[in-house]
Amino acid sequence: GENVEQHPSTLSVQEGDSAVIKCTYSDSASNYFPWYKQELGKRPQLIIDIRSNVGEKKDQRIAVTLNKTAKHFSLHITETQPEDSAVYFCAAPTGTASKLTFGTGTRLQVTL
Amino acid sequence: GAGVSQTPSNKVTEKGKYVELRCDPISGHTALYWYRQSLGQGPEFLIYFQGTGAADDSGLPNDRFFAVRPEGSVSTLKIQRTERGDSAVYLCASSPQPTGLNGYTFGSGTRLTVV
Repeated sequence: GENVEQHPSTLSVQEGDSAVIKCTYSDSASNYFPWYKQELGKRPQLIIDIRSNVGEKKDQRIAVTLNKTAKHFSLHITETQPEDSAVYFCAAPTGTASKLTFGTGTRLQVTL
Repeated sequence: GAGVSQTPSNKVTEKGKYVELRCDPISGHTALYWYRQSLGQGPEFLIYFQGTGAADDSGLPNDRFFAVRPEGSVSTLKIQRTERGDSAVYLCASSPQPTGLNGYTFGSGTRLTVV
């Protein structure tokens, strides 16, 4: 099955700085990579995703890059704001792609 | 409804009791998923429904766990003889695509506490 590793487990940045979270996956057949943001006590929310036919995707201050050869993908947040503080999870499909394997999460703290 | 609805939001039960957790997916979504999230962890897959049938139940931890979706809409996750280790947030998600490659919309979850 799929094995997803996520780093770092915690990340503290100053407001306005950039944050980068990295994930690796094991199944070379995986072709869809979503990122979820989870605020304390709330549901995980999809913030961006990328398919294997592209190497990068941007949505305002958020971008995701994918390196299929190295089997890793990264979340980039620029001009961080306090409201970006949350736990971020990467995920990759497993087997028939009917389910996702999630990383262990990165707790991002944006300080003033 | 507008989003995935889960009830109850919180459930406290005694060890050994039976519980049912309900999920009402987004209208028209054919794919429905149950995940479990323990404190400080990412969601872990339990079971996936495509329509009324369980297409993949490989994540159910043991035979105390069972889920149904009799009419292809609402789903119920059933846990028998609950144990303290079953305490977690149980998340339901739905997707319009059978393979879920458009990303999930999660419900707010049911926080189950077994005492």
